[in-house]
Amino acid sequence: DIVMTQSPDSLAVSLGERATINCKSSQSVLYSSNNKNYLAWFQQKPGQPPKLLIYWASTRESGVPDRFSGSGFGTDFTLTISSLQAEDVAVYYCQQYYSTPPAFGQGTKVEIK
Amino acid sequence: EVQLVESGGGLVKPGGSLRLSCVTSGFTFSDAWMTWVRQAPGEGLEWVGRVKGKAYDFTRDYAAPVKGRFRILRDDSKNTLYLQMSSLKTEDTAVYYCTVGLGNSDNDYWGQGTLVTVSS
Repeated sequence: DIVMTQSPDSLAVSLGERATINCKSSQSVLYSSNNKNYLAWFQQKPGQPPKLLIYWASTRESGVPDRFSGSGFGTDFTLTISSLQAEDVAVYYCQQYYSTPPAFGQGTKVEIK
Repeated sequence: EVQLVESGGGLVKPGGSLRLSCVTSGFTFSDAWMTWVRQAPGEGLEWVGRVKGKAYDFTRDYAAPVKGRFRILRDDSKNTLYLQMSSLKTEDTAVYYCTVGLGNSDNDYWGQGTLVTVSS
């Protein structure tokens, strides 16, 4: 099974500053036949279900603000919030959907400093 | 508009059974990959299991902790997904989310969740 590890577990960032979350998979999630990384990012605000932010590692879901961006390939991925807003306080999860079981990372809690 | 509405959660004793439902709308249910994800209180997300769409013969997969105890069922005539849970353990206590994958990820949309509490 692929294991997903996020870092850090939590971070506090000032409003308007950059937040960076890392996600590492124990095996590559790059499918060579279509050159796609099977990696998604989700945002979960308190008391709400998770919401898809990014898929194929770097494609922003419709309606997601462009301050959110995803990057990386193979086994190492990053979610960046370029200018943190108050409404971005949440827990962020990465998930690989390359193989079964499609595991989630443990989550990264983002707070305002 | 895609909608997923779970129901059926509640309090059940260890060893008991429960069936969760997820009524869906806004997409072609028979083509969709449907997944159950759970979240224990204060914890992260845990994949429970998935049933693929018609093109993949409705293949089912389950997480190791629930295999043999949980079954995912689908009624395409009602656009409804079910999670039949038996031999429940206290560690199955969680909010259970129904999700749908429509081609971007495995979990493009999520329901609001339903809480299952396993306690004596």
